[in-house]
Order: sequence, then C-alpha cells, then structure tokens
Amino acid sequence: AQSVTQLDSQVPVFEEAPVELRCNYSSSVSVYLFWYVQYPNQGLQLLLKYLSGSTLVKGINGFEAEFNKSQTSFHLRKPSVHISDTAEYFCAVSDQGTYKYIFGTGTRLKVLA
Amino acid sequence: GAVVSQHPSRVICKSGTSVKIECRSLDFQATTMFWYRQFPKQSLMLMATSNEGSKATYEQGVEKDKFLINHASLTLSTLTVTSAHPEDSSFYICSARGGAGNTIYFGEGSWLTVV
Repeated sequence: AQSVTQLDSQVPVFEEAPVELRCNYSSSVSVYLFWYVQYPNQGLQLLLKYLSGSTLVKGINGFEAEFNKSQTSFHLRKPSVHISDTAEYFCAVSDQGTYKYIFGTGTRLKVLA
Repeated sequence: GAVVSQHPSRVICKSGTSVKIECRSLDFQATTMFWYRQFPKQSLMLMATSNEGSKATYEQGVEKDKFLINHASLTLSTLTVTSAHPEDSSFYICSARGGAGNTIYFGEGSWLTVV
C-alpha cells in the first residue's frame, strides 16, 4: 500500500518570493509521482509528473519538483510566485500497475501581495 | 489533447432522490475510469475503479448499492448516487485511463448538493 504525506496544510508566502511545498510518500513498489493544482471550485490540473528518468521534473507555470528516492520525497518548488498561484496543491502517487491515485491531504498556497 | 468531461458540473437534489453523474472521455477510449470524492477542505479519496463491460471494484468502506457505477462503453462511465442524503454532498471527480501511454486524465468534477 502507498501513502502520501503533505506536511504543510497551509503555506503563506509573499508575491515574488520562492516557495517549496513538501511531499513525502511511502510505498513498497515503484510508483509514479504527481503534483496537481486545484483552483477554487474547479477540478484538478496536472502541474507535473515523474514517471522515470531525470529526477528533476519541470512542469507548467514555472513549477518544478525533484524526486528523491532515498528520502522518498517529491517536493514542489517555484522560484518566484504570483498572486495567481494561490490554490490548493495535491501530491499524488500511483503504483505502476493499477493507475489508482493516492492523494495527499493538500497544501493551500496563499500568495500575499 | 485528451479531455475528460463530467456532467453535470453542479447539481442540487432533494434528500431521498437519486442523481446520476456522467464521465466521458472525449477523444480516446478509456478501458478504465476511476471515481473519487472530495469533502470540503479535504483530500480526494478513491471510491471505485470502473472497468468497461464488467462490475466496478469498490474501495473499502464505499457502499456499492448506494454508489452505482456503470461503464457501459469505452467512453462513458456513470456514477449514480441513490437515495441521496445531505452527507453525500461532495465534489465527485472522475479520471480516465487511455490515450497515448495509458495516461490518466481527470475530469472537471461535479459538485453535488443534497438538500
């Protein structure tokens, strides 16, 4: 079984500052890793995913994440945030066989002017 | 790119009635679809896996007689909430597996409010 832990439920940050949203996972099998963003009253939008290969993954809207197998982490980063980045961010894992997603509890990023 | 569409996006129903939510893959065939629900300010929880032409597989704790799932074609899965109660009010979102590389695509979600 897999699990995902997002340690921070809320992260306030000033506009143009860098941000890191933390995600740790546990799994006994190889997994795929994802970050999704959910804007208020909307569905999920894929930011980026790690399937294999390079551990540094670049996504949309200037976000990137680094897969660290030894630390079982997949932290999301952005060097300079905008007001429009205010949203809920979900980390998710999927084992490579079932395509079922296990989501973390989410981190609410609030960008302050 | 591939798109998964859900309908309706918002629905309000009376307690005791049933409501159906559709999940369609618009430009690819989806042999497998997944249904999730999200309570306010919480994460998404997998409810069931829907396989075309066979019975859905429900996650532990999900009542299969209350949440009826039908995957009658390779592009459509439906979730019917039967005898809905206010506690069923939630955000229901589907995902579909298919297209190039068996990618997972999420729908836009459906807000259900039971009054």
